[in-house]
Amino acid sequence: GEDVEQSLFLSVREGDSSVINCTYTDSSSTYLYWYKQEPGAGLQLLTYIFSNMDMKQDQRLTVLLNKKDKHLSLRIADTQTGDSAIYFCAEGDRQGGKLIFGQGTELSVKP
Amino acid sequence: NAGVTQTPKFRVLKTGQSMTLLCAQDMNHEYMYWYRQDPGMGLRLIHYSVGEGTTAKGEVPDGYNVSRLKKQNFLLGLESAAPSQTSVYFCASSPDSDYEQYFGPGTRLTVT
Repeated sequence: GEDVEQSLFLSVREGDSSVINCTYTDSSSTYLYWYKQEPGAGLQLLTYIFSNMDMKQDQRLTVLLNKKDKHLSLRIADTQTGDSAIYFCAEGDRQGGKLIFGQGTELSVKP
Repeated sequence: NAGVTQTPKFRVLKTGQSMTLLCAQDMNHEYMYWYRQDPGMGLRLIHYSVGEGTTAKGEVPDGYNVSRLKKQNFLLGLESAAPSQTSVYFCASSPDSDYEQYFGPGTRLTVT
């Protein structure tokens, strides 16, 4: 079945770039998503990439997609303490619009 | 718009008790979802609905039932709660299968 894998923790210093990586198994996914979860809150969509794209940039966020290796990454430039959160990668399943989530990467930004 | 709301925010149950979690959305979305979030496991889909009157099983449906009698509401029921159902439950909705899902704030459920 489909599976999405992420590393669980990442720690960076304020001002550095953060790169969160994700691998997935379902090559038929139309969209791949990055969601952000702040403490005690629900998930909010950060950005997404269509499966026929290699890269998408949105202000401080850059998403890279390597379809051959089924690898997705999220780069956050100039990381701030407010970026501390859990980041989830998800792939979209067209059957009912289901999302398959990774375990989440907890990003800790130290001043 | 309130978006997606969930009731209650917190609940403690004893093993064997039953309860219903309510999810409501005011965005006229067709698709609604119930997930559970456990440490180190991400979100796992329990049940989902692609429209009023329809429901389908997700990845971890055992021990849960759902109903979608009205388009704006999606109810998740636990008939006989077990400690393994201690989790944070999230509801989400989406206008269509290729659109982002909008999440509620979550319900923290503890079963003792």
